[in-house]
Amino acid sequence: AQKVTQAQTEISVVEKEDVTLDCVYETRDTTYYLFWYKQPPSGELVFLIRRNSFDEQNEISGRYSWNFQKSTSSFNFTITASQVVDSAVYFCALSEATGTYKYIFGTGTRLKVLA
Amino acid sequence: DTGVSQNPRHKITKRGQNVTFRCDPISEHNRLYWYRQTLGQGPEFLTYFQNEAQLEKSRLLSDRFSAERPKGSFSTLEIQRTEQGDSAMYLCASSPPLSGGIYEQYFGPGTRLTVT
Repeated sequence: AQKVTQAQTEISVVEKEDVTLDCVYETRDTTYYLFWYKQPPSGELVFLIRRNSFDEQNEISGRYSWNFQKSTSSFNFTITASQVVDSAVYFCALSEATGTYKYIFGTGTRLKVLA
Repeated sequence: DTGVSQNPRHKITKRGQNVTFRCDPISEHNRLYWYRQTLGQGPEFLTYFQNEAQLEKSRLLSDRFSAERPKGSFSTLEIQRTEQGDSAMYLCASSPPLSGGIYEQYFGPGTRLTVT
């Protein structure tokens, strides 16, 4: 069965600090997709990044970067120089690469960025 | 581009009443998903449509729940004889055809249901 674990329930940082959100996943599939979404207080889930299981290249996009390691089944997400507007709940999600491509979400990490 | 829209945004109902939610996906998105999110949890998959066909239903979708997507456009989710345990945020998401190589889903703002 597929499973996503976000062990960090809540993280508080001071503005301009870097913060890393952890995500560990379980799947028997050899091909799958991983995602990060942001859910601000307004409630709408906002897509941030996607990674394919066959591409372990880590990238940086603006203040966001991610570290995908298949050997440890981890897909961590880092925000550099955090801002108050980054305060939200962040969800990691896993989807199969066949069938419906439905998401399995983690329980989310609430990030509070203090001014 | 207009995003995914959901109506109503909030619904308060008494236990035992029926409720219906509507989701309008992004135009030309043929894949549509419903999820349910309870407080402090991640969204959980309920059901999936590809065009007008409902191809998968979660075990979470009891007999009191029914979803439709007539003509492959908007979708409705109906809950009959609501129970307090149905109180949650109901999220709709859509995604374009897989041939486009886009696998992420785009979510609407959700409908928050409160059953009293």
